[in-house]
Amino acid sequence: QITLKESGPTLVKPTQTLTLTCTFSGFSLSTSGVGVGWIRQPPGKALEWLALIYWDDDKRYSPSLKSRLTITKDTSKNQVVLTMTNMDPVDTATYYCAHVIAAADLDYWGQGTLVTVSS
Amino acid sequence: DIVMTQTPLSLSVTPGQPASISCKSSQSLLHSDGKTYLYWYLQKPGQSPQLLIYEVSSRFSGVPDRFSGSGSGTDFTLKISRVEAEDVGVYYCMQGIHLPLTFGQGTKLEIK
Repeated sequence: QITLKESGPTLVKPTQTLTLTCTFSGFSLSTSGVGVGWIRQPPGKALEWLALIYWDDDKRYSPSLKSRLTITKDTSKNQVVLTMTNMDPVDTATYYCAHVIAAADLDYWGQGTLVTVSS
Repeated sequence: DIVMTQTPLSLSVTPGQPASISCKSSQSLLHSDGKTYLYWYLQKPGQSPQLLIYEVSSRFSGVPDRFSGSGSGTDFTLKISRVEAEDVGVYYCMQGIHLPLTFGQGTKLEIK
């Protein structure tokens, strides 16, 4: 049974760096073809893909946010960490992590964590 | 980036009646491997998105067979044969052929 759970601060100040952790179970990020992705959703708005990391440490980022994002994995801890620098109020959103298979199948999602950016 | 356009943006359906959502992509989603990377998700109120359909027409594990997907190239459709109360929420299509992954605007399904 695959489960994922996001954790991190609920409130960050403008210009600060956000660090989110995705802790998962039921799969290994050392298995060929497996990845973890991050997606966000501003309140009342649509989904926006942010980043992906694969079992071979291949990393992909949204071009519009690439300069601000870093994704890493700790296979031994079953965790993936996303950092986003220079946070702005427009980055207020629920952030989700998801299990990825076959390159882009986001088949299992975490419950999401709401991050508010405000001074 | 590939733009995904859904219509309608909202629909209200009587239980037991069918429903249909269209999704059009700005580029073909047919890959050279022969697969078409179009997905459908349902986000129920207060929940995270859940995968319904992958690669145009394959139902994900546990998805009722009243949900079906069809289409090719740039035009796709999600159909619900008989809407039930538990089907309320926002439906999203997503393309997975090119990064960045992109989603449609969402279609809100309500029950009459």
